[in-house]
Amino acid sequence: QQQVKQSPQSLIVQKGGISIINCAYENTAFDYFPWYQQFPGKGPALLIAIRPDVSEKKEGRFTISFNKSAKQFSLHIMDSQPGDSATYFCAASKAGGFKTIFGAGTRLFVKA
Amino acid sequence: KAGVTQTPRYLIKTRGQQVTLSCSPISGHRSVSWYQQTPGQGLQFLFEYFSETQRNKGNFPGRFSGRQFSNSRSEMNVSTLELGDSALYLCASSGPGSSNSPLHFGNGTRLTVT
Repeated sequence: QQQVKQSPQSLIVQKGGISIINCAYENTAFDYFPWYQQFPGKGPALLIAIRPDVSEKKEGRFTISFNKSAKQFSLHIMDSQPGDSATYFCAASKAGGFKTIFGAGTRLFVKA
Repeated sequence: KAGVTQTPRYLIKTRGQQVTLSCSPISGHRSVSWYQQTPGQGLQFLFEYFSETQRNKGNFPGRFSGRQFSNSRSEMNVSTLELGDSALYLCASSGPGSSNSPLHFGNGTRLTVT
């Protein structure tokens, strides 16, 4: 019940294309859903986050879509660029839980 | 504002030894969490501290321990090292007050056990 399932494991996208990464969760108590981006040799960094009272959040080329009834959320990267090549993690947490659960990660490669 | 600082960046230890990793959070952040990152298991939660108190602990053996000091700096210790402990250990701090806020990660300590 504490798991966050992420797919795909890896993704290759052409420059200018749309990258889509999906996540699903089981625990309905989760109320904060962040996405983190990690480059080699660096720690993960917050990219964008959403709370379940909204169905979509957009920041620049990055959009989170959230489906509360299906317990799923996804990250869309529009106009993908080679600089977006990184590992992306979805995550979930709940107030008072004092921990964040991470998906297994998606390695994105954007071809120039 | 300085980010989360982890020391050392790299460590090589022998099986059976013990190791201590250090983390300095962002100034003003009182919550510090530790994660183990491996290629096969992803990011696994170790423990979280707030004001020197452990508030949550992941599913790791007792060989893994941690503590937090009054200045919010944190250390984690792994005793009787095993080959499987080889991993990137990440520390993250989060902002004051809320228990449900973004994590700010350091660049980790890469531990290799031989």
